[in-house]
Amino acid sequence: SQQGEEDPQALSIQEGENATMNCSYKTSINNLQWYRQNSGRGLVHLILIRSNEREKHSGRLRVTLDTSKKSSSLLITASRAADTASYFCALSTDSWGKLQFGAGTQVVVTP
Amino acid sequence: DVKVTQSSRYLVKRTGEKVFLECVQDMDHENMFWYRQDPGLGLRLIYFSYDVKMKEKGDIPEGYSVSREKKERFSLILESASTNQTSMYLCASKRILSNQPQHFGDGTRLSIL
Repeated sequence: SQQGEEDPQALSIQEGENATMNCSYKTSINNLQWYRQNSGRGLVHLILIRSNEREKHSGRLRVTLDTSKKSSSLLITASRAADTASYFCALSTDSWGKLQFGAGTQVVVTP
Repeated sequence: DVKVTQSSRYLVKRTGEKVFLECVQDMDHENMFWYRQDPGLGLRLIYFSYDVKMKEKGDIPEGYSVSREKKERFSLILESASTNQTSMYLCASKRILSNQPQHFGDGTRLSIL
């Protein structure tokens, strides 16, 4: 399997704290994407970072990509209770844009 | 905003039944995908389609088939449902360009009794 592996599997923090989760993979990628899934719902796209990019920001989200180490990280700053969700990294390795998903990181933000 | 609509949020069927899961997108996307999601396994690709009447197997196509007669609609078919197909099924669509995200429906939680 070419899927990414997220670390940690679960994360519990308080509102206002930062949350960091990591994704490691083993193959070459075209891009790496992060998605959020609220309980029982579909996935929502957060950020796409291309293989030639090193860092991207979107609001309170910061994603880094290190292709030499085959790893990525997602940082959520100043977390809120509404950030409680599962977060998935997904690898795009072919021209069709098929994605290989990891098992996800469950984040719980307590008020 | 892109809208991907799955016909049912919850569905209960019996072993051996033929089951149809429908997915419709409203953004003229070329590519559509069906995944299943199981605890601890993330999302696994069942089938995808890159054009009308075109389909490709994903990682776990056994026991499933698909149909794409119109660009906006992608159907997943369980030919003879079995209990191990109880799962959450997610449909997604995207533009054909490679560096584009996928847009997901809300999922169908399917139980096979």
